[in-house]
Amino acid sequence: QLQLQESGPGLVKPSETLSLTCTVSGGSISSSDYYWGWIRQPPGKGLEWIGSIYYSGSTYYNPSLKSRVTISVDTSKNQFFLKLSSVTAADTATYYCARHVNGAWDFDYWGQGTLVTVSS
Amino acid sequence: QSALTQPASVSGSPGQSITISCTGTSSDVGGYNYVSWYQQHPGKAPKLMIYDVSNRPSGVSNRFSGSKSGNTASLTISGLQAEDEADYYCSSYTSSSTLNVFGTGTKVTVL
Repeated sequence: QLQLQESGPGLVKPSETLSLTCTVSGGSISSSDYYWGWIRQPPGKGLEWIGSIYYSGSTYYNPSLKSRVTISVDTSKNQFFLKLSSVTAADTATYYCARHVNGAWDFDYWGQGTLVTVSS
Repeated sequence: QSALTQPASVSGSPGQSITISCTGTSSDVGGYNYVSWYQQHPGKAPKLMIYDVSNRPSGVSNRFSGSKSGNTASLTISGLQAEDEADYYCSSYTSSSTLNVFGTGTKVTVL
């Protein structure tokens, strides 16, 4: 059974960089069939797709965040990563990692999510 | 790219059927058969319930069904049960640079 698990600091100071890791178990991140994505959800609000990465390193980003986002992958560790720079309180959210089929946009496996609060 | 429009809330009694709408444009919902629906219980991650407009992943109850007409997609829950009380989000591929857009979300209440 595929499992995804987010990890990283739960508190980040304004103007600093948010860094999260998603560890994939029960399957290979190097599968040609899937992309691996990040989605966030501010408290009490809806979902927002941040970006996705292929095992080769090819990425897609939400244009609204593109200037601040970097998503990378380490196939040897079966992990992918999110970096969001220059954070503000508006970036406070639960961050999820998830999988979607290459060429499709339905996220079929999700991590449990991790709450990141931006505050001094 | 704005979020897809969903009603804020929908309610129904146990055993009834309810339908949640998801309205977009010809650049997203109306232009492609890449509409998905997610169920989210409080404090939990979203769960994929419907993909490609009307397909159910393995393990999802057949009480959940999806359809689309023009720029509006719909999720119908039949035989409503207490466990169906949750937030529901639609999602679609979009030809805009955003690529993927979620709906505003609908809270389903079982009376």
